[in-house]
Amino acid sequence: AIWMTQSPSLLSASTGDRVTISCRMSQGISSYLAWYQQKPGKAPELLIYAASTLQSGVPSRFSGSGSGTDFTLTISCLQSEDFATYYCQQYYSFPYTFGQGTKLEIK
Amino acid sequence: EVQLVESGGGLVQPGGSLRLSCAASGFTFSSYSMNWVRQAPGKGLEWVSYISSSSSTIYYADSVKGRFTISRDNAKNSLYLQMNSLRAEDTAVYYCARFGESAFDYWGQGTLVTVSS
Repeated sequence: AIWMTQSPSLLSASTGDRVTISCRMSQGISSYLAWYQQKPGKAPELLIYAASTLQSGVPSRFSGSGSGTDFTLTISCLQSEDFATYYCQQYYSFPYTFGQGTKLEIK
Repeated sequence: EVQLVESGGGLVQPGGSLRLSCAASGFTFSSYSMNWVRQAPGKGLEWVSYISSSSSTIYYADSVKGRFTISRDNAKNSLYLQMNSLRAEDTAVYYCARFGESAFDYWGQGTLVTVSS
């Protein structure tokens, strides 16, 4: 199985800030990586797939980068609705795996 | 509009069984592979199982292999998860999720399974 290390687990930031979340794989996965946002009591929503492709309808302040083993999610200018938990996921091979999650909270 | 609606969750005793369903609408169900993903209370996401569009390919997480069975009925636009020999650690919200062009592009609202005596 491919192991993932997502960091940080908790991120405190203010509206307007630029933040980055990292995801590191135990082995290369090309660009088979997705990022999801989850708000309390709701299902996850796809933000980015193929490491850097923005899902339709997702604001352009979200961006993804990386390939191989190291990936990053960047939110360029935090809005109030962005405070949530974020997960990375590899879909390169089974078992598909998710990162441990990053809770983005208001500072 | 794509919709995925799970049902079948509830309270079950350890060792018991439960069958979850996911009703799909708004897209050609038979053209997409599907997944089950779960989330224990206060915890992260855990992928559970995958089934290809034609049911020819199936995968399970090690944690449920031999106890859970995924299936689908393309004529009924439905996905299923038969869960046997349930344990306390299976307590979670279970989501069905469509594997779109890439990654899990649509998710249901989830159904809660509680395993407790």
